[in-house]
Amino acid sequence: KAGVTQTPRYLIKTRGQQVTLSCSPISGHRSVSWYQQTPGQGLQFLFEYFSETQRNKGNFPGRFSGRQFSNSRSEMNVSTLELGDSALYLCASSLRAGEPHEQFFGPGTRLTVL
Amino acid sequence: DQQVKQNSPSLSVQEGRISILNCDYTNSMFDYFLWYKKYPAEGPTFLISISSIKDKNEDGRFTVFLNKSAKHLSLHIVPSQPGDSAVYFCAASGVLFGNQFYFGTGTSLTVIP
Repeated sequence: KAGVTQTPRYLIKTRGQQVTLSCSPISGHRSVSWYQQTPGQGLQFLFEYFSETQRNKGNFPGRFSGRQFSNSRSEMNVSTLELGDSALYLCASSLRAGEPHEQFFGPGTRLTVL
Repeated sequence: DQQVKQNSPSLSVQEGRISILNCDYTNSMFDYFLWYKKYPAEGPTFLISISSIKDKNEDGRFTVFLNKSAKHLSLHIVPSQPGDSAVYFCAASGVLFGNQFYFGTGTSLTVIP
């Protein structure tokens, strides 16, 4: 079974621009979560989507948004990029939502903001 | 406020010996825990989970122990192999949090051949 895929793997943007990252979950998984990892920090939860609905949101500004499509693929958007948004963005898929369950991560998208 | 803490940033162990990675949490509502291994330039790989109804879960060379009263869990790797060299993250969640996991900052394990 194919794993979680994320595109693109690397991205360079400048301050003020916006960016869209994509995630395709494991086949049959309907829950997709997004995390941000910065140097010295653990993974910070951004949000979770299930059945095209945002179920949970972490403590990030409104510049961070996401959506999920009917095929469970998810996109994450960051508008008005800031230097501090440079990070590894990880997507994780899970079979179920509503209760904690094993999450399987993609390889991540490395975003650099100049 | 870091609700999940891994106080040892790094650990070195001889090949064949036991590696013990520790994790502490502060939120008593956490009742489900995961351990991940992460290599550079890759996403975290799921290793093992444990729920609060158990105090131990074993999968091959990996065993996770949970001490609820101390709010502490540990991952034991026996025997340690050079391929185990990676950063290990613990993560915690609970019914109240759905699939939102709180991660520690990781422990970098080096297994010396």
